[in-house]
Amino acid sequence: DIQMTQSPSSLSASVGDRVTITCRASQSISSYLNWYQQKPGKVPKLLIYAASSLQSGVPSRFSGSGSGTDFTLTISSLQPEDFATYHCQQSYSTLYTFGQGTKLEIK
Amino acid sequence: QVQLQQWGAGLLKPSETLSLTCAVYGGSFSAYYWSWIRQPPGKGLEWIGEINRSGSTNYNPSLKSRVTISVDTSKNQFSLKLNSVTAADSAVYYCARGNSRSWYPGVHYYYMDVWGKGTTVTVSS
Repeated sequence: DIQMTQSPSSLSASVGDRVTITCRASQSISSYLNWYQQKPGKVPKLLIYAASSLQSGVPSRFSGSGSGTDFTLTISSLQPEDFATYHCQQSYSTLYTFGQGTKLEIK
Repeated sequence: QVQLQQWGAGLLKPSETLSLTCAVYGGSFSAYYWSWIRQPPGKGLEWIGEINRSGSTNYNPSLKSRVTISVDTSKNQFSLKLNSVTAADSAVYYCARGNSRSWYPGVHYYYMDVWGKGTTVTVSS
């Protein structure tokens, strides 16, 4: 299995901050990396696919980068609605695996 | 606009079989893979398996011996069965559409872009 490790596990930030979340794969996955946002009690929502492609309808303050084993999700200016848990997921292997999640909280 | 509607029993006893169905409305059924994912309380997401219109499946090896995913193309539905459940199988179960994008021949970037609302399954004696 390809293990996905996110850091940090939790993060406190303020509205307007620039935030970066990291995801590391246990082996190279090229750009087969997706990011999802999940609010409490809600369904995961696709934000970024193929490491850096913004899903339709997602605000441009979200961006993704990286390839190989190291990836980042950046929120350029946090908005109140961005406080949520973020999950990375690899699709390099058909055994799709997710990171443990990063909980973004209001400072 | 594609919507996924899922249903199934929410309370099971140990050793029983979990059975969930997901119906696809408002879009093509044939062009995609269809997945099941679960999330135990307070934990991360775990992919269970997927199926396409032809019935071709991929399963998570950790669950493969207990899982069956099937498809009914006449109803645009797919289903999950997980047998011999234990408390460790208690989770929110989601169905999702697997989509892909390709910029280069033979290279397909796969992601899950439409999700059902989730079904909470509790296993308790």
